[in-house]
Amino acid sequence: GENVEQHPSTLSVQEGDSAVIKCTYSDSASNYFPWYKQELGKGPQLIIDIRSNVGEKKDQRIAVTLNKTAKHFSLHITETQPEDSAVYFCAVTGYSSASKIIFGSGTRLSIRP
Amino acid sequence: KAGVTQTPRYLIKTRGQQVTLSCSPISGHRSVSWYQQTPGQGLQFLFEYFSETQRNKGNFPGRFSGRQFSNSRSEMNVSTLELGDSALYLCASSLEESGTDTQYFGPGTRLTVL
Repeated sequence: GENVEQHPSTLSVQEGDSAVIKCTYSDSASNYFPWYKQELGKGPQLIIDIRSNVGEKKDQRIAVTLNKTAKHFSLHITETQPEDSAVYFCAVTGYSSASKIIFGSGTRLSIRP
Repeated sequence: KAGVTQTPRYLIKTRGQQVTLSCSPISGHRSVSWYQQTPGQGLQFLFEYFSETQRNKGNFPGRFSGRQFSNSRSEMNVSTLELGDSALYLCASSLEESGTDTQYFGPGTRLTVL
């Protein structure tokens, strides 16, 4: 079955700097890769996603890159702000309707003022 | 458009009891998935319902069950509660089956088993 590894587990960056979180997956049939942000006391919220026919997607300060050959994808946050502090989860799912979404183990991002 | 709602938000039960959690998906969404979130195991898939049928099931014991109604609202039930069932239970809805569509999460129900 699918296996997703997420690194790092914790990340601390200076406000204004960039943060990068990386996930690797095992099933080459996977074709949908969302990223979720979870703040304390809330459920995960989708922040950006990418499908396998695209190599990069950007939304303001957030971008996701996908390397299907190497089976990894990354979340990039530029010009970090205090409100970016949260736990971030990557996820992977396949094309089949029988596919389950598998989540990474999460990255706790802290923004230092 | 209202988001995914879950009730109750907090619940305290004792070992051996059973519990029912409720989830109302985003209007028009037909798929509801349930997840268990714990510090040690992360986000683990419980099951998914689409058009009142269970489509996928994770690796949880039979004490965990669920159902979906014709209006897409879903309930999950845990019988004979154990201490290890203490967790945040999250519900997510999507327009179509989760394997092909974006999921939107509710705030979760925090279950504490004493």
